[in-house]
Amino acid sequence: EAQVTQNPRYLITVTGKKLTVTCSQNMNHEYMSWYRQDPGLGLRQIYYSMNVEVTDKGDVPEGYKVSRKEKRNFPLILESPSPNQTSLYFCASRLTGQGIGTNEKLFFGSGTQLSVL
Amino acid sequence: AQSVTQLDSHVSVSEGTPVLLRCNYSSSYSPSLFWYVQHPNKGLQLLLKYTSAATLVKGINGFEAEFKKSETSFHLTKPSAHMSDAAEYFCVVSDWGSQGNLIFGKGTKLSVKP
Repeated sequence: EAQVTQNPRYLITVTGKKLTVTCSQNMNHEYMSWYRQDPGLGLRQIYYSMNVEVTDKGDVPEGYKVSRKEKRNFPLILESPSPNQTSLYFCASRLTGQGIGTNEKLFFGSGTQLSVL
Repeated sequence: AQSVTQLDSHVSVSEGTPVLLRCNYSSSYSPSLFWYVQHPNKGLQLLLKYTSAATLVKGINGFEAEFKKSETSFHLTKPSAHMSDAAEYFCVVSDWGSQGNLIFGKGTKLSVKP
């Protein structure tokens, strides 16, 4: 089944303790992206990746890192989490290869609810 | 640079009345436009997308959107609201200038009163 898998679904941690949220897709998609969702602010893009070893900052990259060593995986790393990073996080992916238009559907993971105490 | 503005953060309608959720976009290139819906405590689901084949796009659950280039708009409509339509709706734009990166609007929360 085609899907984007995020883990964990829920995470409670303390300030300063490094954590990683994993994201994996099984559709051979080039494009992957991380968003955070906060009430009243919609989805804000953290980082995105157009392909392996190609990553770019989104609107709110501060305090986050990503890597794209393999096509299927796009982990989100919080080196020193702070309470203002408490949020609902979504990973997404889509096709953007040569010859593919920009109108390809975005596939979303189920979300990770992160609480930083 | 591309951007998208959802003109209403919250829309409230009565069941059986029409729904209008407004979206304006800015794009340097011919854009691709999408509407996604998020029901409470759920992930995001594609409602419909504009692909330049037709300006009036039909989506799931009776929703439609019309692409108006002269107004740079892509408003979402439904003739008759149902209680199950209560959700948050996101307008999304993508274009070749951004190499296909997608930009989300802030969302419009739709409430449906019985």
